[in-house]
Amino acid sequence: KQEVTQIPAALSVPEGENLVLNCSFTDSAIYNLQWFRQDPGKGLTSLLLIQSSQREQTSGRLNASLDKSSGRSTLYIAASQPGDSATYLCAVNSGGYQKVTFGTGTKLQVIP
Amino acid sequence: DGGITQSPKYLFRKEGQNVTLSCEQNLNHDAMYWYRQDPGQGLRLIYYSQIVNDFQKGDIAEGYSVSREKKESFPLTVTSAQKNPTAFYLCASSTTGITSYGYTFGSGTRLTVV
Repeated sequence: KQEVTQIPAALSVPEGENLVLNCSFTDSAIYNLQWFRQDPGKGLTSLLLIQSSQREQTSGRLNASLDKSSGRSTLYIAASQPGDSATYLCAVNSGGYQKVTFGTGTKLQVIP
Repeated sequence: DGGITQSPKYLFRKEGQNVTLSCEQNLNHDAMYWYRQDPGQGLRLIYYSQIVNDFQKGDIAEGYSVSREKKESFPLTVTSAQKNPTAFYLCASSTTGITSYGYTFGSGTRLTVV
């Protein structure tokens, strides 16, 4: 059974800092990994999707990497802004459209 | 714009009452899902459906029911058998092909028992 862990559960950084969020998974046989952002009381917004054959994906100030052999993905946020404050979740697809396991998220606070 | 619409945004349920949460998508996705989110517990799968008139139980299906009469719609009924229904409910959809393009989520429904 796939298990997905996100550490730390919460993170507070000053504005402008570059930061890395971590996602670990136990079974390296994955189809893809997706990073989401969730604002309080809102749904999940997809940020980046990395297929198993890819090593990284970039969108603006965001860069997600995938290392299947070590069971890790990182989400790099450059030049953080207060608007980046949210909870970030990773979701691992272990095979088949319905076999997605979510982490519990990292709550990020960017302090002006 | 394509997306998923959940309604209502807030819902209040009295003890012993059944309530239905709506989920509609115009993304032409085959698969649809219902998740429950509680503080500190992450997302837990309630039900999912791959095609019309077919659906499967997820990890916490007890006390819930669904239907899939149209590709675009996947309503969730929270029955009186669900003892602790207060939570944030999220609907999602996806393709089912070999290459997955990930999940798309709605904006959620917050259900409170009064």
